[in-house]
Amino acid sequence: AQTVTQSQPEMSVQEAETVTLSCTYDTSESDYYLFWYKQPPSRQMILVIRQEAYKQQNATENRFSVNFQKAAKSFSLKISDSQLGDAAMYFCAYSTFSGTYKYIFGTGTRLKVLA
Amino acid sequence: DGGITQSPKYLFRKEGQNVTLSCEQNLNHDAMYWYRQDPGQGLRLIYYSQIVNDFQKGDIAEGYSVSREKKESFPLTVTSAQKNPTAFYLCASKPGRTKVEKLFFGSGTQLSVL
Repeated sequence: AQTVTQSQPEMSVQEAETVTLSCTYDTSESDYYLFWYKQPPSRQMILVIRQEAYKQQNATENRFSVNFQKAAKSFSLKISDSQLGDAAMYFCAYSTFSGTYKYIFGTGTRLKVLA
Repeated sequence: DGGITQSPKYLFRKEGQNVTLSCEQNLNHDAMYWYRQDPGQGLRLIYYSQIVNDFQKGDIAEGYSVSREKKESFPLTVTSAQKNPTAFYLCASKPGRTKVEKLFFGSGTQLSVL
C-alpha cells in the first residue's frame, strides 16, 4: 500500500530565511504525482506545487521549489525568503494513475515563521 | 463564482444521532472526495466517487455513508455507529475521472459531539 510520511511535526524559520520540509513516500508504481498543500489558520487547503514523477526537472513556483529524488522516494519542499504569510500546516500528498485515483496525504508539518 | 460549498461550517451531534454534511460543487467536476482531519493525523480518506451513482470506500469508511445521485452533490452521513466523530471534515473534487489533477477543496465542516 502507498504511504506518505512527514517526519517533522513542526518547523520554525526566521522571516526572509529558507526552510525545507521533508516528505518520503512508498509506492511500487512508476507513474504518479506528488503535491504539497498549504493549510493556513483559515483551514482552506491551497495547492502550493505539484510534481509529475516522469519529469526529472524539479517543479518551481515562485519562492517554492521541490527536491524530487525518485529513487530515494523523497519529495522535499523548499521555501525561500520566508514570509509571515507562509505560516501554516503543510501536507505532502501522493496520487497515482492506476485504478483508484486515491489521494494519500501525510500527517503534516506545522511551519512557524518568526519575525 | 465556481467552487465547492460545504455546510454547515459547524455541526453538533447528540449521542445516537445521525448527521449529514453537505458538499456541493458547481465546477462540473466528475470526482468527489471526503476526508477527515484529526490533529496529528493528517487527512484520511473516508469515501470517494468517480462518477454519478458510484462510490468507493476509503481507508476509514466505517460509521459513514454517502450518496452520489447528482454530479454536483456528495453528502456525507455520520451515523451513530461512528463512535468518535469529532473532527474536521473536508470535501474535495477534481475535474476528470481518469486524470491525476489537483484537488479543489471546500472550506470544511467542524463536527463536535454534545
